Amino acid sequence: TQLLEQSPQFLSIQEGENLTVYCNSSSVFSSLQWYRQEPGEGPVLLVTVVTGGEVKKLKRLTFQFGDARKDSSLHITAAQPGDTGLYLCAGGGGLTDSWGKLQFGAGTQVVVTP
Amino acid sequence: DAGVIQSPRHEVTEMGQEVTLRCKPISGHNSLFWYRQTMMRGLELLIYFNNNVPIDDSGMPEDRFSAKMPNASFSTLKIQPSEPRDSAVYFCASRFQGNQPQHFGDGTRLSIL
Repeated sequence: TQLLEQSPQFLSIQEGENLTVYCNSSSVFSSLQWYRQEPGEGPVLLVTVVTGGEVKKLKRLTFQFGDARKDSSLHITAAQPGDTGLYLCAGGGGLTDSWGKLQFGAGTQVVVTP
Repeated sequence: DAGVIQSPRHEVTEMGQEVTLRCKPISGHNSLFWYRQTMMRGLELLIYFNNNVPIDDSGMPEDRFSAKMPNASFSTLKIQPSEPRDSAVYFCASRFQGNQPQHFGDGTRLSIL
């Protein structure tokens, strides 16, 4: 059972459009991380958010952690083909875990066409 | 700096055979994680170690799976005997400490025929 639900599962857009990916849970996490994974490679960390309501920006990517630390969103402005990949959210430090292991969502596959 | 190194990158073998996957974590990292990724189930944590000691193996599917970490620079995940349903990409990740980010290797793509 996935504790983290990501939506949508798949997103295909044209270059220059904006997109938002959501990550929701019924559990509280002390931190939430976003990874991007490309074919044949392991996930690569994009950002970690730790404070409820926190917003972080990484160039055209904006990440937000919900006030209750149960949900997060990733917004990409003016998407480019290089943004294509599988976006994974991962929650850390849940109430039942003191070792910092991560619970991963199923991922959102984003395809940006030129 | 060298990242997490996994070997082999690809493994194809017949069911019933023993499979051993290898991982070299980033030097200085004291936590190591083994994951399995499939289309159906996504990325699942199998087991993780802290300072070479297994902390949580609740994700290991069954007794056919075993993992060891004899020292800080090497870990193995073994499947014996292997079955077709074990086909997946297996990732190893390491982390410095606490809530520091995990660094993933490029995975081993395992196909059991």
